[in-house]
Amino acid sequence: AQTVTQSQPEMSVQEAETVTLSCTYDTSESDYYLFWYKQPPSRQMILVIRQEAYKQQNATENRFSVNFQKAAKSFSLKISDSQLGDAAMYFCAYRSGTSGTYKYIFGTGTRLKVLA
Amino acid sequence: ETGVTQSPTHLIKTRGQQVTLRCSSQSGHNTVSWYQQALGQGPQFIFQYYREEENGRGNFPPRFSGLQFPNYSSELNVNALELDDSALYLCASSRGLETYEQYFGPGTRLTVT
Repeated sequence: AQTVTQSQPEMSVQEAETVTLSCTYDTSESDYYLFWYKQPPSRQMILVIRQEAYKQQNATENRFSVNFQKAAKSFSLKISDSQLGDAAMYFCAYRSGTSGTYKYIFGTGTRLKVLA
Repeated sequence: ETGVTQSPTHLIKTRGQQVTLRCSSQSGHNTVSWYQQALGQGPQFIFQYYREEENGRGNFPPRFSGLQFPNYSSELNVNALELDDSALYLCASSRGLETYEQYFGPGTRLTVT
């Protein structure tokens, strides 16, 4: 069975600085997708960034980028130029790419605080 | 394009009662998944519906059941509520089974007393 682990329950970053959130996962599959979701106090999950396992190039979305290390099964999120609006819970998620139920498996989350 | 909506926003029920939560998928989406998010935890997969048929289930007892309607809206029903059922219930829709991106609704906060 696949698992997703986020070992940092809480992180803090100064506004305009850079922060990295960690995520490791375990799977025996070769075809899968990884995601970072943001959940602000409004509760709605917002997709931040996604990575296809077959792509070697790390995904980037504006101030958000990932460091995808497939062999190490590591998928960290880097937020550059942190803004107050980045404060939220961040969840790492895994989705199988093989046929079947395309459910997401989530980690326990990291609460990010942005200090003014 | 309207987003995923859920109703009600909040709900308080008594142990032993039954509850129905509703989800309206994003336009053009035929797949919906339901998740339970306990306080301080990540979402846990309950089940998924594709074109009105259940397409997989997580580790939840049979008292958690669902429906998907021809317009692809969906219901989550929970019978014989227990205190541990208190959680945020999220639904997520996608354009198809093999579309990897899911769009989440704002959730229904269920409190069981």
